[in-house]
Amino acid sequence: EDKVVQSPLSLVVHEGDTVTLNCSYEVTNFRSLLWYKQEKKAPTFLFMLTSSGIEKKSGRLSSILDKKELFSILNITATQTGDSAVYLCAGYFNDYKLSFGAGTTVTVRA
Amino acid sequence: DADVTQTPRNRITKTGKRIMLECSQTKGHDRMYWYRQDPGLGLQLIYYSFDVKDINKGEISDGYSVSRQAQAKFSLSLESAIPNQTALYFCATSDSNYNEQFFGPGTRLTVL
Repeated sequence: EDKVVQSPLSLVVHEGDTVTLNCSYEVTNFRSLLWYKQEKKAPTFLFMLTSSGIEKKSGRLSSILDKKELFSILNITATQTGDSAVYLCAGYFNDYKLSFGAGTTVTVRA
Repeated sequence: DADVTQTPRNRITKTGKRIMLECSQTKGHDRMYWYRQDPGLGLQLIYYSFDVKDINKGEISDGYSVSRQAQAKFSLSLESAIPNQTALYFCATSDSNYNEQFFGPGTRLTVL
């Protein structure tokens, strides 16, 4: 069965720190990998990655995919308290359904 | 106006009651999904539909049923609610295979 594993489960940082979130997957037929941010409400889309080695970037957030090693990372630089959220990794694998990891809870302290 | 809406936003009910959660979308997407989220867990797929005549079970469909009344509407029913169905329920839509899914605001359901 396809599986998405995120690490760490949670972390606490101070404003200005850099955060790296990990997402690994065990799948038989990879299609694309997505990152979402969830702040006590609906998940909001951040990135979709389909090609290995190509970084997607939006402001202080960036993400990259390694299809050979079956993982993705999400980086947040110069963190702010507004970055506090649960970050979800999800993948389209064998079929047309998104499989989600359990998420990483990021808490940014002022 | 929100592209994906869910009603109700909060509901408290008793064990054994029948409950319907509704989802509407104005995005014109063919694909619609129902997920549940439990504290500390990711989203688990309950049912999904790729068009009005298509209904598919997800990972955790037992105890749930769905109806796709129109392209824009997808409802989720709990025929006889039980306490372990207490969770946050999300509806989502997408326009095609392997693309971003757009989520509704969620329905917080409590079964006593």
